[in-house]
Amino acid sequence: NAGVTQTPKFQVLKTGQSMTLQCAQDMNHNSMYWYRQDPGMGLRLIYYSASEGTTDKGEVPNGYNVSRLNKREFSLRLESAAPSQTSVYFCASSATENTGELFFGEGSRLTVL
Amino acid sequence: GENVEQHPSTLSVQEGDSAVIKCTYSDSASNYFPWYKQELGKRPQLIIDIRSNVGEKKDQRIAVTLNKTAKHFSLHITETQPEDSAVYFCAAGLSGNTPLVFGKGTRLSVIA
Repeated sequence: NAGVTQTPKFQVLKTGQSMTLQCAQDMNHNSMYWYRQDPGMGLRLIYYSASEGTTDKGEVPNGYNVSRLNKREFSLRLESAAPSQTSVYFCASSATENTGELFFGEGSRLTVL
Repeated sequence: GENVEQHPSTLSVQEGDSAVIKCTYSDSASNYFPWYKQELGKRPQLIIDIRSNVGEKKDQRIAVTLNKTAKHFSLHITETQPEDSAVYFCAAGLSGNTPLVFGKGTRLSVIA
């Protein structure tokens, strides 16, 4: 049982380049989330999807887009990367929205030069 | 929206001592309060949670207390061990509504 799998684990981009972070869960969870983690800032929500077919902005959505491709997959896209988007990104899922445990992926470390 | 404040940001304790981490929240409607532990280079993992109909919950060496009137909740770790060294995050939210809001984290170091 893999849980939550996100790729890539590491990526270096130049300013202005685009990329997509992929996330998949095999627990049949309804809700999925993308967080970013910066030193001293905790976990900040970028976007979330309460159920298949819906997406909503979180605390820090600017510069990002998301797609809930199906129940299993939730991708995060950076259209034009900026140095301020250098961070560790975590995908997470839960059975239902905010009623139980969040299961996190291993994280993706992104550096924008 | 919800705002969660967490203190202290760093905490060092001697092995065997107790550690306490405190969080306050702003939205009185919040009813779910989990705690996550993140070891260095790893993903956050849930260690304990409490819902608003309960004042205290224990699981072996860890316990969480909730004071809804004062809007604060705390994590207590007794008989600390080196493997307790990690970053701990509190969070708050309303079931079935908006997602969890996390505190900024506490880096706990247990000194052997």
